[in-house]
Amino acid sequence: NAGVTQTPKFQVLKTGQSMTLQCAQDMNHEYMSWYRQDPGMGLRLIHYSVGAGITDQGEVPNGYNVSRSTTEDFPLRLLSAAPSQTSVYFCASSEQGARLGYTFGSGTRLTVV
Amino acid sequence: GQQLNQSPQSMFIQEGEDVSMNCTSSSIFNTWLWYKQDPGEGPVLLIALYKAGELTSNGRLTAQFGITRKDSFLNISASIPSDVGIYFCAGQLYGSEKLVFGKGTKLTVNP
Repeated sequence: NAGVTQTPKFQVLKTGQSMTLQCAQDMNHEYMSWYRQDPGMGLRLIHYSVGAGITDQGEVPNGYNVSRSTTEDFPLRLLSAAPSQTSVYFCASSEQGARLGYTFGSGTRLTVV
Repeated sequence: GQQLNQSPQSMFIQEGEDVSMNCTSSSIFNTWLWYKQDPGEGPVLLIALYKAGELTSNGRLTAQFGITRKDSFLNISASIPSDVGIYFCAGQLYGSEKLVFGKGTKLTVNP
């Protein structure tokens, strides 16, 4: 099994550009989440999903959109990139949600210039 | 914003020493988790705790779910160089599916 796969691994965007960070899992997990990691800030929850067709906001949702049309995929869309969105983004999935913990991908390092 | 206070922020220790770190909150948590992150990788789950007072071990790692449900502790015994990394606590609030993370403890082990 590949686990949680994130693409791309690295990306540079210009301010105002839009893009989609891809996340796919092959473990048939119902729960998926997106986090961003900034130095000294730990991991902050952006959006999460408890199943296909269901999404909800986390701590820092502004500037990001998500959708969950299939169990396997949970893309994160940046609508109009800003330098404040420079960060490392992690996608994670779980069989039974937060209680059992999440399996994380290896991250996407995004730089907005 | 962040609801977990993790300390210390960083630790520099000698190989063979024991390590302790903790997380506290003003909120009550249903579940406490401890993760380790190696450079360039995503966090990996080390230990999960589900009951107040619960003490769980994973090799040289021992974690405890605080009696008040508002804190948790992680101890690493006889540290080795491969223990280097960032350790995160994470908690699930009652009635929520959100998993909230602390800011991490960066551990450096000198051989």
